[in-house]
Amino acid sequence: GAVVSQHPSWVICKSGTSVKIECRSLDFQATTMFWYRQFPKQSLMLMATSNEGSKATYEQGVEKDKFLINHASLTLSTLTVTSAHPEDSSFYICSATTTGEGGYTFGSGTRLTVV
Amino acid sequence: AQSVTQLGSHVSVSEGALVLLRCNYSSSVPPYLFWYVQYPNQGLQLLLKYTTGATLVKGINGFEAEFKKSETSFHLTKPSAHMSDAAEYFCAVSDRRGFQKLVFGTGTRLLVSP
Repeated sequence: GAVVSQHPSWVICKSGTSVKIECRSLDFQATTMFWYRQFPKQSLMLMATSNEGSKATYEQGVEKDKFLINHASLTLSTLTVTSAHPEDSSFYICSATTTGEGGYTFGSGTRLTVV
Repeated sequence: AQSVTQLGSHVSVSEGALVLLRCNYSSSVPPYLFWYVQYPNQGLQLLLKYTTGATLVKGINGFEAEFKKSETSFHLTKPSAHMSDAAEYFCAVSDRRGFQKLVFGTGTRLLVSP
């Protein structure tokens, strides 16, 4: 079946630094990638939607200059958390979809801890 | 706007007992409906989905769900719980106009006791 590889699985970074999270669709073309954020014991909140070759569409309240999303190819999307702060610590999950009835495929998530 | 309500943040059952996790949606048009399971520090795994056709949907690991339009519900059931079913379960909906963004419920943690 469809697989989305998300890396890294976990990362610890210092406050003020930037962190990049990658999601790759391994055996299909991801026309659309969704990026979610999940706080402990809470549900997934959509941060942004990106289509290959287009600028990402951010949900209300999400800082687009802080959470940079790039979807330059049909198999790779990245989320960069810029100038990270402790409040950015969270679990980030990507989800890819393709045209047709393929549905959604989720990455395994990235646990970000900012110290 | 679409929304999803999952009744009960925690559900506790004994091993071998019936599992029932409730999900109701709010949408002007019946959406696509999904159930996902999440284990700690992992991504989401699709249990089952309803898009069209038969309203009783069978998924993996013995789970099934029934779409009831009149009740705007999509409850998840399993006849006999296993210890390995202990996890977080999310109900989600998406617009029927293609697979657009998923809207998730708040999740239900299933606890299974021996």
